[in-house]
Amino acid sequence: AQSVSQHNHHVILSEAASLELGCNYSYGGTVNLFWYVQYPGQHLQLLLKYFSGDPLVKGIKGFEAEFIKSKFSFNLRKPSVQWSDTAEYFCAVNAPDSSASKIIFGSGTRLSIRP
Amino acid sequence: DGGITQSPKYLFRKEGQNVTLSCEQNLNHDAMYWYRQDPGQGLRLIYYSQIVNDFQKGDIAEGYSVSREKKESFPLTVTSAQKNPTAFYLCASLQGVFSGANVLTFGAGSRLTVL
Repeated sequence: AQSVSQHNHHVILSEAASLELGCNYSYGGTVNLFWYVQYPGQHLQLLLKYFSGDPLVKGIKGFEAEFIKSKFSFNLRKPSVQWSDTAEYFCAVNAPDSSASKIIFGSGTRLSIRP
Repeated sequence: DGGITQSPKYLFRKEGQNVTLSCEQNLNHDAMYWYRQDPGQGLRLIYYSQIVNDFQKGDIAEGYSVSREKKESFPLTVTSAQKNPTAFYLCASLQGVFSGANVLTFGAGSRLTVL
């Protein structure tokens, strides 16, 4: 069965700092990968996704993530964070060969940005 | 506007009582999901349903039950057998299976507190 690990539970950065949030999954087959974001008081929303093709995917608000198959990783990056990026970030994996409709989330990383 | 409606938003119950959380979607999505969100544990899958009259257990189904009698509705019952029911519950839906065009849509959530 697939699983997802997010090792950074709480990250605190100053504005304009660079961001990288780790995400590792455990599944040997084909995967679809996602990053979701939950801003304070708002619904969970999709930040970006990877299904196939270019392993470097770009999402909304200047975020990007790189799928490295050999490392089972899908880390989220942003070159310069803003105070408005304060939120909780969740990595998620779907294994279409195993269960086309099942999606598993990681434990989340809380990002706090100091103005 | 199309979306997912969860009710109630806040719910208080005494220990030992069953409680049912409502989830309705008007997106004409095939699949529906229930997740539980706890601080530091991310989203954990309780149950999901790919089509009407069919559903599968997620990773933490014990103490919960669901039904899928209509495409647009996927209620979750938290039974007295659930040892730690106080949590934030999220419902989501998906059209078909995961693809470049299809991703999860989330509701606003229901916060259950058991006294």
